[in-house]
Amino acid sequence: DTAVSQTPKYLVTQMGNDKSIKCEQNLGHDTMYWYKQDSKKFLKIMFSYNNKELIINETVPNRFSPKSPDKAHLNLHINSLELGDSAVYFCASSQQFREQYFGPGTRLTVT
Amino acid sequence: LAKTTQPISMDSYEGQEVNITCSHNNIATNDYITWYQQFPSQGPRFIIQGYKTKVTNEVASLFIPADRKSSTLSLPRVSLSDTAVYYCLVGGSMMRNRDDKIIFGKGTRLHILP
Repeated sequence: DTAVSQTPKYLVTQMGNDKSIKCEQNLGHDTMYWYKQDSKKFLKIMFSYNNKELIINETVPNRFSPKSPDKAHLNLHINSLELGDSAVYFCASSQQFREQYFGPGTRLTVT
Repeated sequence: LAKTTQPISMDSYEGQEVNITCSHNNIATNDYITWYQQFPSQGPRFIIQGYKTKVTNEVASLFIPADRKSSTLSLPRVSLSDTAVYYCLVGGSMMRNRDDKIIFGKGTRLHILP
């Protein structure tokens, strides 16, 4: 059983489109995260939700909007995609901000 | 902000012990130190976490001096499959407000040679 899953694994889209990435964890954790890893491999946190409440909201464009329908899901919606949004996006989960378990990543390519 | 500094890359040979040091001069009282391993095209994987002194598990040891301004990940008897990027992360385990931060270091590329 996959602990943290993301869909889709690959996403190729054109500038200006709106897309969503879904994340689900079956670990019973109360905290979930979204990270962006760019071409230089820097791993930067974007958002964190604890018990469905937004805890961390780093400086990201407001085109990015996380949505947590329940503790097991944290989806990322991106409006008006730009070339600079191309990256690998990782979802992760943890219990009370302890060690994080990462998903396999979603490689987003904006053309 | 407890920023971290790690060597950009390291080479070692199979069977050797590898030590990777992370500096975190501004570590806060409630910050834990966590290390992750990342293979290409995969998400980071938790290795070990500690607060002070020494922590050991089945894959690694983590040494943290008394001032907690640095930490050293020790991998015993590495193999080729340990070639990966290793990240040092400093952050609170009980964050309750948006001033708490999660900051990954830039990672250390460890290359194990036969």
